[in-house]
Amino acid sequence: EAQVTQNPRYLITVTGKKLTVTCSQNMNHEYMSWYRQDPGLGLRQIYYSMNVEVTDKGDVPEGYKVSRKEKRNFPLILESPSPNQTSLYFCASSHDRGFSEAFFGQGTRLTVV
Amino acid sequence: AQSVTQLGSHVSVSEGALVLLRCNYSSSVPPYLFWYVQYPNQGLQLLLKYTSAATLVKGINGFEAEFKKSETSFHLTKPSAHMSDAAEYFCALGAQKLVFGQGTRLTINP
Repeated sequence: EAQVTQNPRYLITVTGKKLTVTCSQNMNHEYMSWYRQDPGLGLRQIYYSMNVEVTDKGDVPEGYKVSRKEKRNFPLILESPSPNQTSLYFCASSHDRGFSEAFFGQGTRLTVV
Repeated sequence: AQSVTQLGSHVSVSEGALVLLRCNYSSSVPPYLFWYVQYPNQGLQLLLKYTSAATLVKGINGFEAEFKKSETSFHLTKPSAHMSDAAEYFCALGAQKLVFGQGTRLTINP
């Protein structure tokens, strides 16, 4: 079954404590991206990756890092989380950056206190 | 610049009534347009996609959307709403990347 798997689904953490949200896809897609979803703002792209070792900033990259060491995995790293990063996060993968269907993970609800 | 505007953050209809969710876009290149649906506590899944092959696009669960270039619109419709259609719907424009609208929450009244 084609799927994108994110972990954890829910996370409560304290300000400044480094965390990683994992993302893995089994469709051999080259393109992967991270979004955050906030009420009234839709989904905004944080970072994206065109292929292994190729990553670039999206629209709201401040405070986040990513890596793409393997094609299937694309973790999101918050080195020093702050309360304004409280949000719902989605990982997505697709064949290309905007012309084909994107497959989304189940989401990670992050709360930073 | 590319952008998507969804008119109405919340739409409420009665079961069996017509569903109409509005989406307007702005694009400097011929657009690829998508509608995604997000059920509670789930990720987004594709409802339908426009790629210039036909202006009327049929999707899953009885939804369809019509591309109107003159109006720069891609509205989503369903003739008869079902309780299971309650969800958030996102219109998206694809080119250099996917650009999402703000989302419309659809509520179905029994």
